[in-house]
Amino acid sequence: QSGLTQPASVSGSPGQSITISCTGSSSDVGAYNYVSWYQQHPGKAPKLMIYEVSNRPSGVSNRFSGSKSDNTASLTISGLQAEDEADYYCSSYTSSNTLVFGGGTKLTVL
Amino acid sequence: EVQLVESGGGLIQPGGSLRLSCAASGFTVSSNYMSWVRQAPGKGLEWVSVIYSGGNTYYADSVKGRFTISRDNSKNTVSLQMNSLRAEDTAVYYCARDRAYSSGWYVVYWGQGTLVTVSS
Repeated sequence: QSGLTQPASVSGSPGQSITISCTGSSSDVGAYNYVSWYQQHPGKAPKLMIYEVSNRPSGVSNRFSGSKSDNTASLTISGLQAEDEADYYCSSYTSSNTLVFGGGTKLTVL
Repeated sequence: EVQLVESGGGLIQPGGSLRLSCAASGFTVSSNYMSWVRQAPGKGLEWVSVIYSGGNTYYADSVKGRFTISRDNSKNTVSLQMNSLRAEDTAVYYCARDRAYSSGWYVVYWGQGTLVTVSS
């Protein structure tokens, strides 16, 4: 059960766009469209931001978008705002009927 | 409104046992997939276990044989029995409600978490 691979950190200035990648394998990201993205602020529980690769839950800003190509999923945040500064985690359903998370990416808004 | 409230965390010695409970409201536990996810201090999220609406259970390799997930339909709760605890099990444990399809599932709602510290 190896974790998904994410960059440890990304940064951007207010108003810019950033993209966080999430690389898995043909047994998880590449095999299913059950890729989700979560935002976590310090000391808080994670919050679902993207589900099923590219869908946004009600109440999540349309500045957040998701996509997938082969074994790699991506989260893009456009028009960066100070409140977007947080940790972001991807997850995927796997062929073993389990869930796997990425190591997390710390987003810094400069 | 969906609410998940975890309890049962605390300080426990290595080799000991602890039982976490998750009280759900706003939905029926038995009709949903329910997961436990943990986060070691300063570390990332790690999926621990899931119980399907049909009763099937699955575990991460790191806890298989030591942890048991179960639910009490009458109390609308989910529990995680943790035995043979190790220092590396120290983490905040989150209860979560999943959204499930015949071909897969993912976490949608999260509780606020309960801290488990394994130390002598």
